[in-house]
Amino acid sequence: DAKTTQPPSMDCAEGRAANLPCNHSTISGNEYVYWYRQIHSQGPQYIIHGLKNNETNEMASLIITEDRKSSTLILPHATLRDTAVYYCIVRVIRGAGNMLTFGGGTRLMVKP
Amino acid sequence: NAGVTQTPKFRVLKTGQSMTLLCAQDMNHEYMYWYRQDPGMGLRLIHYSVGEGTTAKGEVPDGYNVSRLKKQNFLLGLESAAPSQTSVYFCASSLGYEQYFGPGTRLTVT
Repeated sequence: DAKTTQPPSMDCAEGRAANLPCNHSTISGNEYVYWYRQIHSQGPQYIIHGLKNNETNEMASLIITEDRKSSTLILPHATLRDTAVYYCIVRVIRGAGNMLTFGGGTRLMVKP
Repeated sequence: NAGVTQTPKFRVLKTGQSMTLLCAQDMNHEYMYWYRQDPGMGLRLIHYSVGEGTTAKGEVPDGYNVSRLKKQNFLLGLESAAPSQTSVYFCASSLGYEQYFGPGTRLTVT
């Protein structure tokens, strides 16, 4: 699976959009970009995933660059409850065991 | 649906003691996983299972054993606990692209 690089921490004002970047310059053509988040020692929670088109769901939007070497997770109106560690993971959608490899993630702090 | 549950939530062991952590899921998922998370770090995969009766090693399997006798349960065993195994243990299950995680078990080995 391709390796990802994320900033260790970011701040965001409550009510503003939070834009979390992820670099995955060695991504392969059959690898998807997944985002999970972990709120204060709870189990990680799936947010969204995508291959090359931009994706949106009720939680967030995922913007993937045309060359697929980087992506941005967007939380459109961040709330205090969005304070968490966000993990960007790249892997094939159905690999052996469908395993996830977690890096250090980005610690997002949403401030009032 | 309860989702993924883990038992116990907390445990303190002395070095050399053994214990089993239980993970149960009620979503009929084929895949199940055990991760550990040390302070300030991401999750690391210990063992996983792609179906009932099958298990495989992950990134950090040493010192742990697992069993998947029933589809809904995945057990993680520590035969002789060491202080280096002090960690938070997360279980997860999946059917496809999304993994569902349990609340975690906080284990301290003294």
